[in-house]
Amino acid sequence: GIQVEQSPPDLILQEGANSTLRCNFSDSVNNLQWFHQNPWGQLINLFYIPSGTKQNGRLSATTVATERYSLLYISSSQTTDSGVYFCAVERISGGSNYKLTFGKGTLLTVNP
Amino acid sequence: NAGVMQNPRHLVRRRGQEARLRCSPVKGHSHVYWYRQLPEEGLKFMVYLQKENIIDESGMPKERFSAEFPKEGPSILRIQQVVRGDSAAYFCASSKGQGKYGYTFGSGTRLTVV
Repeated sequence: GIQVEQSPPDLILQEGANSTLRCNFSDSVNNLQWFHQNPWGQLINLFYIPSGTKQNGRLSATTVATERYSLLYISSSQTTDSGVYFCAVERISGGSNYKLTFGKGTLLTVNP
Repeated sequence: NAGVMQNPRHLVRRRGQEARLRCSPVKGHSHVYWYRQLPEEGLKFMVYLQKENIIDESGMPKERFSAEFPKEGPSILRIQQVVRGDSAAYFCASSKGQGKYGYTFGSGTRLTVV
């Protein structure tokens, strides 16, 4: 099956710093999403971004589908940004292109 | 426009009891998916349902687990005779169609088996 690798696995920041999280995937995809799982376990949709660039406040994401990677940028980080960031992809294939494959996540800790 | 609603948020069951997890999709979404997150692991696909039909249950354990999405009402994930290994977070997602519109996830139900 498709492989999804996220880096770094852990990241510690001081409040106000910027960061870039990376997601590499091993095959062509027709869907890529970024999620934030907060410390209470809730999974929050951030971006649906199979290609191109999107921005939402302090967060933005870019997916270069031809090179099989996506980047999530967090600017001016806040303590509420802490949690695990997951990248998930849906492979282009006949018959079962509705299953998201998740990476193992990046654990972000933002200290005050 | 409410998102995917899951309840309960937390569920505690003793070994051998039944657990019922509910999921109401985004209004207008007719495709529902269940994922499980075991401790220290990422989310794994369990089952895909459309109204009154199970499309793919290849990720669901063969025994004790079942899912339904009736014509009226929420989707239900049912776990019979729970064991400690069933303790996990269970997430439901919904979409308009097969994937190309993206998936909206609920906040999950955290099941603890004692």
